[in-house]
Amino acid sequence: GENVEQHPSTLSVQEGDSAVIKCTYSDSASNYFPWYKQELGKRPQLIIDIRSNVGEKKDQRIAVTLNKTAKHFSLHITETQPEDSAVYFCAASKGGGATNKLIFGTGTLLAVQP
Amino acid sequence: EAGVAQSPRYKIIEKRQSVAFWCNPISGHATLYWYQQILGQGPKLLIQFQNNGVVDDSQLPKDRFSAERLKGVDSTLKIQPAKLEDSAVYLCASSLGTSEQYFGPGTRLTVT
Repeated sequence: GENVEQHPSTLSVQEGDSAVIKCTYSDSASNYFPWYKQELGKRPQLIIDIRSNVGEKKDQRIAVTLNKTAKHFSLHITETQPEDSAVYFCAASKGGGATNKLIFGTGTLLAVQP
Repeated sequence: EAGVAQSPRYKIIEKRQSVAFWCNPISGHATLYWYQQILGQGPKLLIQFQNNGVVDDSQLPKDRFSAERLKGVDSTLKIQPAKLEDSAVYLCASSLGTSEQYFGPGTRLTVT
């Protein structure tokens, strides 16, 4: 069935360093890849997304890259700050059709050390 | 604009009891989703509604879980009877039919 693998499960970086989280998806029909940030006890919030017709998207300190051939996509956070500390989830879906079911990865706990 | 609303925020029940959760999506959002998030895992879709019709309920344990969205706006998710493994956060999300989904604060269910 559909599956999204996410690595690493935990990531600790020093403030100001970069962080990279990687995901691999199994369904080649997937065409929408959002990233969610979830702080402890709070709702997941969309931070950036990418569709399969582009290879990279950037929003200030956050960027996402997509390699459709290899079926993997990555989240890049530059100049990390303590407030970036949270659990990050990648997801994949065949968005745009009748079913927009998001298949989530298992999450990455990012800790930014001041 | 107001976000997705859910209630209650917390619920503790004993196994074999029943429980119901309520969700009010963002105004105008036709698509509504219920996810189950077990501690340490990503959310898993239980059911998706388009207006008042079910689009996907393939991962809903139908022997004990049910959901409805009778008027195409608010939705309720029910568990009867609850099991220990149902302990999780139940997240409701809504969208305009595009892929971007907005999540509610969730209901944390503890089954003892």
